[in-house]
Amino acid sequence: AQSVTQPDIHITVSEGASLELRCNYSYGATPYLFWYVQSPGQGLQLLLKYFSGDTLVQGIKGFEAEFKRSQSSFNLRKPSVHWSDAAEYFCAVTPSSGATNKLIFGTGTLLAVQP
Amino acid sequence: GAVVSQHPSRVICKSGTSVKIECRSLDFQATTMFWYRQFPKQSLMLMATSNEGSKATYEQGVEKDKFLINHASLTLSTLTVTSAHPEDSSFYICSARDSAGNTGELFFGEGSRLTVL
Repeated sequence: AQSVTQPDIHITVSEGASLELRCNYSYGATPYLFWYVQSPGQGLQLLLKYFSGDTLVQGIKGFEAEFKRSQSSFNLRKPSVHWSDAAEYFCAVTPSSGATNKLIFGTGTLLAVQP
Repeated sequence: GAVVSQHPSRVICKSGTSVKIECRSLDFQATTMFWYRQFPKQSLMLMATSNEGSKATYEQGVEKDKFLINHASLTLSTLTVTSAHPEDSSFYICSARDSAGNTGELFFGEGSRLTVL
């Protein structure tokens, strides 16, 4: 069965510092991978996605993620964090683009940004 | 990007009543929609897959008689929490893919916060 692991439940970084949020997946083939962000009481916003091709994908708000097949990882990075980045971040996986394929979420990482 | 709208965004009800939450795809058609539930400070747990014109597929442990799903058109799915109790209080989020697209991207509604007194 597919699963997604986000090892870090809570991370605090200083504004301006770099950020890396970890995500590991378990799946027999290469799935489609996503990172979403959720502000308190809000829905989810897609940051970026990986389907195939270049393993380094660029997203919105200055985020990027790198797919590493050998490590079954899809870590999210940002070189310089802004206070507005404080939110909950979810990694998610689906086996393909088929409309009926469900998205499985990791447990989330709550990011706090110190001034 | 595509827009998914949920209504209501917040609802408070008395224990024992039923509550209906609507999920609409505003600018695309969705043969399949997904309903998630999120408890405070937790991840999103898939409840069921809503299929247009047919029965929903429920995840293990989700009571289908408790959470009624209807997907009567290509742009609307509804979730009805029947005989709601305080433990049903949660944040419910729907999502959908564009049936005509092939990007795999799932578009999310803004969520509906249910509080059962």
